[in-house]
Amino acid sequence: DVKVTQSSRYLVKRTGEKVFLECVQDMDHENMFWYRQDPGLGLRLIYFSYDVKMKEKGDIPEGYSVSREKKERFSLILESASTNQTSMYLCASSPLQGQGVTGELFFGEGSRLTVL
Amino acid sequence: GQSLEQPSEVTAVEGAIVQINCTYQTSGFYGLSWYQQHDGGAPTFLSYNALDGLEETGRFSSFLSRSDSYGYLLLQELQMKDSASYFCAVMNTGFQKLVFGTGTRLLVSP
Repeated sequence: DVKVTQSSRYLVKRTGEKVFLECVQDMDHENMFWYRQDPGLGLRLIYFSYDVKMKEKGDIPEGYSVSREKKERFSLILESASTNQTSMYLCASSPLQGQGVTGELFFGEGSRLTVL
Repeated sequence: GQSLEQPSEVTAVEGAIVQINCTYQTSGFYGLSWYQQHDGGAPTFLSYNALDGLEETGRFSSFLSRSDSYGYLLLQELQMKDSASYFCAVMNTGFQKLVFGTGTRLLVSP
């Protein structure tokens, strides 16, 4: 089974702190994604990556950056956390489209971040 | 721009059939996916439609009409465990990048 592991289920940080959210997948997927989920807003894409060292902005990239130094690992960075970044963060992965478009993303269990 | 609309909440009883609709507006369209998410859990994939018509997977079916920019998820023989949030999601570019709707909370009662 595909496994997407997010390093922390719950984090509490203070305003202005730098926050790292780590995600590792074990299925050799090319594509990796970071979404945030808020009540009533669904899942919104922050950044995605389709290859090592490649990144593309999603719909809400402001205040975030990402790093993909290895194929299996995709990190989300909040350079200076703010209270409006309190949210559930979901990492996902999928194989390259050329291997068959399935519309399927494999999600991690999520990291619930609270910024005080 | 792009937007997806789905009802915020649907209620039904065990054994019934429920349909969750999704209408979308996007620039570019590859297909429509459906995901289930239980409280506190990760979204899990249910189905994907790229072509018009009905796809059936056990108790769940998904329908797409590209000309109407419309799809639905049909859940039959509802069980209590089907109580969850259901999201439609459009793939409007390559890289399997999905744009999600705001979700429909399904409450199944005895």
